Amino acid sequence: GIQVEQSPPDLILQEGANSTLRCNFSDSVNNLQWFHQNPWGQLINLFYIPSGTKQNGRLSATTVATERYSLLYISSSQTTDSGVYFCAVGDGNKLVFGAGTILRVKS
Amino acid sequence: DAGITQSPRYKITETGRQVTLMCHQTWSHSYMFWYRQDLGHGLRLIYYSAAADITDKGEVPDGYVVSRSKTENFPLTLESATRSQTSVYFCASSDGGGYGYTFGSGTRLTVV
Repeated sequence: GIQVEQSPPDLILQEGANSTLRCNFSDSVNNLQWFHQNPWGQLINLFYIPSGTKQNGRLSATTVATERYSLLYISSSQTTDSGVYFCAVGDGNKLVFGAGTILRVKS
Repeated sequence: DAGITQSPRYKITETGRQVTLMCHQTWSHSYMFWYRQDLGHGLRLIYYSAAADITDKGEVPDGYVVSRSKTENFPLTLESATRSQTSVYFCASSDGGGYGYTFGSGTRLTVV
């Protein structure tokens, strides 16, 4: 099956700093999504991005499908950005999740 | 309220008992999913459904049963709970049109 690797596994930032999270996957996919799990456990869909670039406020994502990776950029980080970021990929609507990146933003 | 709701939020049950986790969505999304989240494993797909009366196995289906008689409901049943099924269970839905998943708030299940 599809393998999904996320890096780094852990990241600690000072408030205001920028960061890049990476997702590598092992096979061609037509579905790629980024999620944020907040400290209370709620999973929020950030981006549906099987290819190309999207931006939503301080967050943006880029997927290069031909090279099998996706990047999530967080600019001017805030303490509310803390949590776990998951990349999930799939063929169709069935997703395989990576292990996640734990982000801690300190004030 | 519109959305996807899971019940109960917390459940403690004994080994060998049957337990059902409920999932209800109000968007009429065609796809629904059950995942479990465990430390070190991320989220793993248990079962999914593309429409009413259509279900299929995911990565870790053993010990679980699902049904989908109505589009809006997708219950997950543990027929004889084991301690290895202690986990946080998430239900999700999708319209299949590429707009992403929406997750419920999760059910924390402890099997003692």
